[in-house]
Amino acid sequence: TQLLEQSPQFLSIQEGENLTVYCNSSSVFSSLQWYRQEPGEGPVLLVTVVTGGEVKKLKRLTFQFGDARKDSSLHITAAQPGDTGLYLCAGATKQTGANNLFFGTGTRLTVIP
Amino acid sequence: NAGVMQNPRHLVRRRGQEARLRCSPMKGHSHVYWYRQLPEEGLKFMVYLQKENIIDESGMPKERFSAEFPKEGPSILRIQQVVRGDSAAYFCASSLRGGGRHYEQYFGPGTRLTVT
Repeated sequence: TQLLEQSPQFLSIQEGENLTVYCNSSSVFSSLQWYRQEPGEGPVLLVTVVTGGEVKKLKRLTFQFGDARKDSSLHITAAQPGDTGLYLCAGATKQTGANNLFFGTGTRLTVIP
Repeated sequence: NAGVMQNPRHLVRRRGQEARLRCSPMKGHSHVYWYRQLPEEGLKFMVYLQKENIIDESGMPKERFSAEFPKEGPSILRIQQVVRGDSAAYFCASSLRGGGRHYEQYFGPGTRLTVT
């Protein structure tokens, strides 16, 4: 069973601080995606990583895929209140033909002005 | 949300009624996925469809749930004889390609089903 565990589950920080959230699994993923979901809305895709060791940057957000493609991290620099939301990682595996995504448990981030 | 449309956004049904949830994928996308998000739980895959075909329904409950994606029109997720445990947010996603190593799924805003 593919299981993606995210940590921390909840995170509350002051505006301007840096933070890192983690996504870990014992399974190997062919690709991993990060989403942000706001209350009452669907997940919005932030990034897809596919190569072990890959690092992608999206403004103040830095995403890294582990060398073994089992884990990933999201680092936010100088957090802003607009970063508040639920961050989800989701992996696709070759066993399932990459047809469906396995979602992590989520990290709920609150950035206090 | 990148153009995936879902309706209705909110649906209230009494126990025993039928619920029909609709999803129109992004323009040009022919791969559709349905996910369910139970309260305080993560998103769980239900079914993957291409036009007129169910490709993977490994996450679909065996009874009362069905899905289709006809040649014309939206994808439909149908829940017969709803029970309180069906109350959840149901999300549809679409992708340009499917089954490959590199693909991205774009989600709709969801339908929140409440069974009373």
